Amino acid sequence: DVKVTQSSRYLVKRTGEKVFLECVQDMDHENMFWYRQDPGLGLRLIYFSYDVKMKEKGDIPEGYSVSREKKERFSLILESASTNQTSMYLCASSLILSSYEQYFGPGTRLTVT
Amino acid sequence: AQTVTQSQPEMSVQEAETVTLSCTYDTSENNYYLFWYKQPPSRQMILVIRQEAYKQQNATENRFSVNFQKAAKSFSLKISDSQLGDTAMYFCAFMREGDKIIFGKGTRLHILP
Repeated sequence: DVKVTQSSRYLVKRTGEKVFLECVQDMDHENMFWYRQDPGLGLRLIYFSYDVKMKEKGDIPEGYSVSREKKERFSLILESASTNQTSMYLCASSLILSSYEQYFGPGTRLTVT
Repeated sequence: AQTVTQSQPEMSVQEAETVTLSCTYDTSENNYYLFWYKQPPSRQMILVIRQEAYKQQNATENRFSVNFQKAAKSFSLKISDSQLGDTAMYFCAFMREGDKIIFGKGTRLHILP
């Protein structure tokens, strides 16, 4: 059974803190994605990676960076958290970039105070 | 740029009724894929159904079926004999060949007992 896990379900951080969100998949997928989900805005792509050490900006990369040192792990980094980054963050993976099925993690609800 | 529009932010229906969720999209492509994803409360998002644009026959998965109108760029999801477990956020999504998935803003569906 396919599995995507995220390090935390809920996270509370202070403004200015450096925040790491971790995502791990056990399906040997090439591609991994980070989205943020906000009410009324749907899912918006932050960054994606199609290979180890490779990354591409999505639609809203500002204020975020990513790291993929191993195939199974994709990290989202908020260098200096701000209150407008309070959101639900979803990680997903897919076998190939054009695969129509992405497998999602349970999400991390981040609150920045 | 491709866009996906879900015109119903929220819907409620009685258990056992049939409900239709609307989705329209805009593209100049001829080869693409359309999907409906389901995100139950506090649970992971999963793929419900997919449709390849080159296929004229509407996709069906048990109680879930789509009405794909290519010329009208419409892709609605019909849920028959709705169940309490169908309560979820539903996202319509579009993907052109070799590209990333674009999600709509979602429809929150409540199945009432």
